[in-house]
Amino acid sequence: VQLVQSGAEVKKPGASVKVSCKASGYTFIGYYIHWVRQAPGQGLEWLGWINTNGGHTNYAQKFQGRVTLTRDTSITTAYMELSSLRSDDTAVYYCVRGVEWELRYWGQGTLVTVSS
Amino acid sequence: QSALTQPPSASGSPGQSVTISCTGTSSDVGGYYYVSWYQQHPGKVPKLMIYEVTKRPSGVPDRFSGSKSGNTASLTVSGLQAEDEADYYCYSYSGSNNGGVFGGGTKLTVL
Repeated sequence: VQLVQSGAEVKKPGASVKVSCKASGYTFIGYYIHWVRQAPGQGLEWLGWINTNGGHTNYAQKFQGRVTLTRDTSITTAYMELSSLRSDDTAVYYCVRGVEWELRYWGQGTLVTVSS
Repeated sequence: QSALTQPPSASGSPGQSVTISCTGTSSDVGGYYYVSWYQQHPGKVPKLMIYEVTKRPSGVPDRFSGSKSGNTASLTVSGLQAEDEADYYCYSYSGSNNGGVFGGGTKLTVL
């Protein structure tokens, strides 16, 4: 199982960012992809998940309206888009393969820096 | 949903045992058998150590064990080794929004 994420991003406040997560080594449909972030020196924070079988999503209340999770099954890739970026959105964003209640295989992380 | 509560730090000498707690509510930890634990070394990606409260993924030493009582889950590391020094996070399924919630993390120091 391998999850390879897109590279680091630098964005200005108010902009949007879209991070990709290319999955390989397993059958893409049938597992959830979760997104988790970690601000510098801080703990882990769950953003939401997407069920790759059908595309149903569920978001943490804190991010409702700002985060959008999608997937493209033809290229076994999941995406996380976060809008209206603020400085406190600066963090490493991880995609994680799992089931609804468990995060098993982690991507390498993508640093998103929000700075004017 | 609110984060689960973990002690910020824990410590033990090599060979000793240490237990890290994770307290939630009946809507998450107490209501489901879906608590997992993650180990994170500095600058590294988190690693699954325990899932479904007590189960260990292949390759995780049996020195790591999990349990749950009421709204509190626990991770016990027995026979502490230097490489166990890391941050540990609990995670639980939450029925309040069909999603997940992390604990704040515990820094484990091997003295």
